Amino acid sequence: QSVLTQPPSMSGTPGQRVTISCSGSTSNIGRNTVNWYQQFPGTAPKLLIYRGDQRRSGVPDRFSGSKSGTSASLAISGLQSGDEADYYCAAWDDSPNGRWVFGGGTKLTVL
Amino acid sequence: EVQMEDSGGGLVQPGGSLRLSCVVSGYTFSIYEMNWVRQAPGKGLEWVSYISSSGETIYYADSVKGRFTISRDNAENSLFLQLNSLRAEDTAVYYCVGSGYEPMKYWGQGSQVTVSS
Repeated sequence: QSVLTQPPSMSGTPGQRVTISCSGSTSNIGRNTVNWYQQFPGTAPKLLIYRGDQRRSGVPDRFSGSKSGTSASLAISGLQSGDEADYYCAAWDDSPNGRWVFGGGTKLTVL
Repeated sequence: EVQMEDSGGGLVQPGGSLRLSCVVSGYTFSIYEMNWVRQAPGKGLEWVSYISSSGETIYYADSVKGRFTISRDNAENSLFLQLNSLRAEDTAVYYCVGSGYEPMKYWGQGSQVTVSS
């Protein structure tokens, strides 16, 4: 069971906006940085968003991140077929020692 | 361009050992934190271990504590993970992950570790 909670799957149609949620606690999302990753089958994850809402250089502005309290969200607008992938949230967790924690991943299907 | 070359994976029997390496180029390795993250077949990402830029601060996931050892050689731009007392549940692709200004930004291509008799 993952420390951060994401929906296992989501779907959308081309052009639609989808939002993937990530729920945590005060020891991770509540007071630390949140990253979002995109992973295609057979490849390494790629960082999309860091520090909750900062887009990595080169990432289209269709991708945006936000954080509120102990939850974070990744929004993808103008959905494209090439966005079909697995998405993971990650956050630094302070307890009991330092560690990174991940969500279980969300498989996004573009219908 | 930052490149992170993972190596050292393979097939090992339960109870055996492996040493993973990650050589980094195009990046000021010595000033950044590093991590190992693994992904079991068909599963999600699992953080394994963290090491500070100097190597003085180290953290491990409970699942590997006492069996795995992370280390780094800043003179050689290299990160290591010694895996001992391997179990079937350690079977995964292991990624070395480097931070820059952005935490956990750079990922290697991954090394496959298979634990099986």
